[in-house]
Amino acid sequence: AQSVSQHNHHVILSEAASLELGCNYSYGGTVNLFWYVQYPGQHLQLLLKYFSGDPLVKGIKGFEAEFIKSKFSFNLRKPSVQWSDTAEYFCAVNWATLSGSARQLTFGSGTQLTVLP
Amino acid sequence: DSGVTQTPKHLITATGQRVTLRCSPRSGDLSVYWYQQSLDQGLQFLIQYYNGEERAKGNILERFSAQQFPDLHSELNLSSLELGDSALYFCASSVTPGPQETQYFGPGTRLLVL
Repeated sequence: AQSVSQHNHHVILSEAASLELGCNYSYGGTVNLFWYVQYPGQHLQLLLKYFSGDPLVKGIKGFEAEFIKSKFSFNLRKPSVQWSDTAEYFCAVNWATLSGSARQLTFGSGTQLTVLP
Repeated sequence: DSGVTQTPKHLITATGQRVTLRCSPRSGDLSVYWYQQSLDQGLQFLIQYYNGEERAKGNILERFSAQQFPDLHSELNLSSLELGDSALYFCASSVTPGPQETQYFGPGTRLLVL
């Protein structure tokens, strides 16, 4: 079955540290890739997405992610985190069907990021 | 604010009861998705509707059902509630299912079953 793995369950960083959160998905094929963020008590917000083209995508709030097809990975990065980045981060993937439409989003288990002031 | 609205924000009920959660998609979006977020299961896709018709089913229990109305709002009905149904229920919407679809999430309904 298709699956998405986020190996870091909880990451603790100090402000200004660099961030990289891992995301791997189970197998190849045509994929659409997303990172969502959930601030405490809030809903999921889209950070960035990749459909095709340049494998390095930039999102909101200074986040970026790199799609590495050979590694089935879509890691999220930020060069310098802020206290306000404290949140839970979810990687999500959907795979294209044979007809070209997309299957449902499959989410990773999430990574809780805590940024210490 | 994603433009997706959900009511109620919080719901407390007892085991065996039935509740209805409501979702209004973003203006212009035809597709609605329901997800359940719980501590032990994470974020799980339940069911999808597109323009009033069921499109796909995920890990949705038989006690749960949903529908999408002509005005495109959707309702998720949860019946014979159990303690384990306590979770955050999210609705998401998109313009239309397709190869480059993006889903936008609502604020969720937090359900507590006592």
